[in-house]
Amino acid sequence: GDSVTQMEGPVTLSEEAFLTINCTYTATGYPSLFWYVQYPGEGLQLLLKATKADDKGSNKGFEATYRKETTSFHLEKGSVQVSDSAVYFCALSGASGSRLTFGEGTQLTVNP
Amino acid sequence: DGGITQSPKYLFRKEGQNVTLSCEQNLNHDAMYWYRQDPGQGLRLIYYSQIVNDFQKGDIAEGYSVSREKKESFPLTVTSAQKNPTAFYLCASSDRVPYNEQFFGPGTRLTVL
Repeated sequence: GDSVTQMEGPVTLSEEAFLTINCTYTATGYPSLFWYVQYPGEGLQLLLKATKADDKGSNKGFEATYRKETTSFHLEKGSVQVSDSAVYFCALSGASGSRLTFGEGTQLTVNP
Repeated sequence: DGGITQSPKYLFRKEGQNVTLSCEQNLNHDAMYWYRQDPGQGLRLIYYSQIVNDFQKGDIAEGYSVSREKKESFPLTVTSAQKNPTAFYLCASSDRVPYNEQFFGPGTRLTVL
């Protein structure tokens, strides 16, 4: 079945550091890929998405490129801020389109 | 504004009582979902519904029940059969096709005393 593997956290960075959170997936066909962000005590918000190979999703300085050859969708940001501290979830929508498969989430803490 | 509402934000119940969590959406989405989140963990799918009057079990349906009588509403009942009900519960909805991009509510934190 479909699965998503994220790099283990927690990740702690200083403000203005470069961020990478790795995400790899296993799925049949051509899934759609998503990154969601969850701030403390809140629901998930869609951060970005990519629906076909080589697509780059981007939002609020975050980027991720759909790499079919490496089955990856790594999240990157060039300069993180304290306000980026949150839990980040990678997810995919498989061939059936009936549900999302989520990774375990990566806790990011950015210190001033 | 379109969105998903969950009420209440915090809910306390005594052990052995059933409790129903509310989820309403005005996005005109066909599909709705319930997830459970435990501290420091990912999301686990409880139930989902792709159309009114139809729903399917997710990965951890035991001890939970749902109904989908209206397109905009998908209430979740946590029954006394659920052995460890204390958790954060998230509702979501989507158009399902073509990409199944899901939109989430703010969540309900249930504590069973």
